[in-house]
Amino acid sequence: QKEVEQDPGPLSVPEGAIVSLNCTYSNSAFQYFMWYRQYSRKGPELLMYTYSSGNKEDGRFTAQVDKSSKYISLFIRDSQPSDSATYLCAMSALSNYQLIWGAGTKLIIKP
Amino acid sequence: NAGVTQTPKFRVLKTGQSMTLLCAQDMNHEYMYWYRQDPGMGLRLIHYSVGEGTTAKGEVPDGYNVSRLKKQNFLLGLESAAPSQTSVYFCASSFGTGPYEQYFGPGTRLTVT
Repeated sequence: QKEVEQDPGPLSVPEGAIVSLNCTYSNSAFQYFMWYRQYSRKGPELLMYTYSSGNKEDGRFTAQVDKSSKYISLFIRDSQPSDSATYLCAMSALSNYQLIWGAGTKLIIKP
Repeated sequence: NAGVTQTPKFRVLKTGQSMTLLCAQDMNHEYMYWYRQDPGMGLRLIHYSVGEGTTAKGEVPDGYNVSRLKKQNFLLGLESAAPSQTSVYFCASSFGTGPYEQYFGPGTRLTVT
């Protein structure tokens, strides 16, 4: 079993929809949770970062962490075609500087 | 600032050939990483460096070697390429460990026939 599980998709939704992307993990030591966005044939870029549990909002994007369920989510409101990309979750423990990555979910926003 | 650059962008090798991938960053970052990305596998860490002159193994180091002779450069070598090394290779750098943002290069697409 992988430490971080992420549905590879693709997830296809109409423009304007609310998108929910999720990752589950098995290591209870993870404290830092990140979402990276990767456009086709580009390197990943950091989108959002949260520490421990709770929510964080940045414009149309909201990241949630539920440590009791070992489950993190990224919500995208009013989705746009420009949001079409692969979204990768990544996480690390306080004591280990290696990021553990999910496989990435490919998101397609249809105009 | 160019950020993180990688050369070459594309390469085709025959089995058994060798090559070196070059990564350069101009952000004065201490930490540098080499990843490979395969469909359905996400990013897997090959080797990393925590400073000039240091290197360490990641999750999938076999078949690769690295060197960090200068702070701004991180080289990834394949001594005897195998078809299993067909992948997209990304270099990244960061200011610190753990939660610090990793800045990625544009990737190198390598095909081994």
